[in-house]
Amino acid sequence: GDSVTQKEGLVTLTEGLPVMLNCTYQTIYSNAFLFWYVHYLNESPRLLLKSSTDNKRTEHQGFHATLHKSSSSFHLQKSSAQLSDSALYYCALNNNNAPRFGAGTKLSVKP
Amino acid sequence: NAGVIQTPRHKVTGKGQEATLWCEPISGHSAVFWYRQTIVQGLEFLTYFRNQAPIDDSGMPKERFSAQMPNQSHSTLKIQSTQPQDSAVYLCASSSRDWGQDTQYFGPGTRLLVL
Repeated sequence: GDSVTQKEGLVTLTEGLPVMLNCTYQTIYSNAFLFWYVHYLNESPRLLLKSSTDNKRTEHQGFHATLHKSSSSFHLQKSSAQLSDSALYYCALNNNNAPRFGAGTKLSVKP
Repeated sequence: NAGVIQTPRHKVTGKGQEATLWCEPISGHSAVFWYRQTIVQGLEFLTYFRNQAPIDDSGMPKERFSAQMPNQSHSTLKIQSTQPQDSAVYLCASSSRDWGQDTQYFGPGTRLLVL
């Protein structure tokens, strides 16, 4: 079945350093949509960015990700971490079946 | 647009009691999803509805969990004979279409604590 893997449970960074959160997925479908949701403390999870186009960079709010179907990856990146980026980040896969979420990566940005 | 509404926001039950969680999706959205969020498992899919019909409940623990959507304005998740391991945040989400590319809009969640 479909699955999403986020190998890092916790990423701790110093403010100003680059961010990279890993996401890989498995699916038999070629038309998969990949999403990154962000969950700030005391708020609801919300969409950060999404893509279904192979090798096309998608950007939003300073974050970017590129879907690479050849490696089944959709890593989330940011050039410079900010304190306000501290949150829980979920990678998710939709392909007309039930959505599958990764276990989540908690990003903690320190001064 | 009020967003997805979930009630109650917090619920405490004793072991063996029943818990019913409510979700009101965004008006006009045709798909409703239920998830369970824990530190260990992350965001687990439970079940979803399309136009009020149950489509996939593959994530639901079969014996004690059930979900319904009696009308387009609300869905319920019922847990019978609650156990301490059911303690989690239960999230409801809705989307305007059923197919894969649509964004899900999450509610604030119901934090369930089973003593």
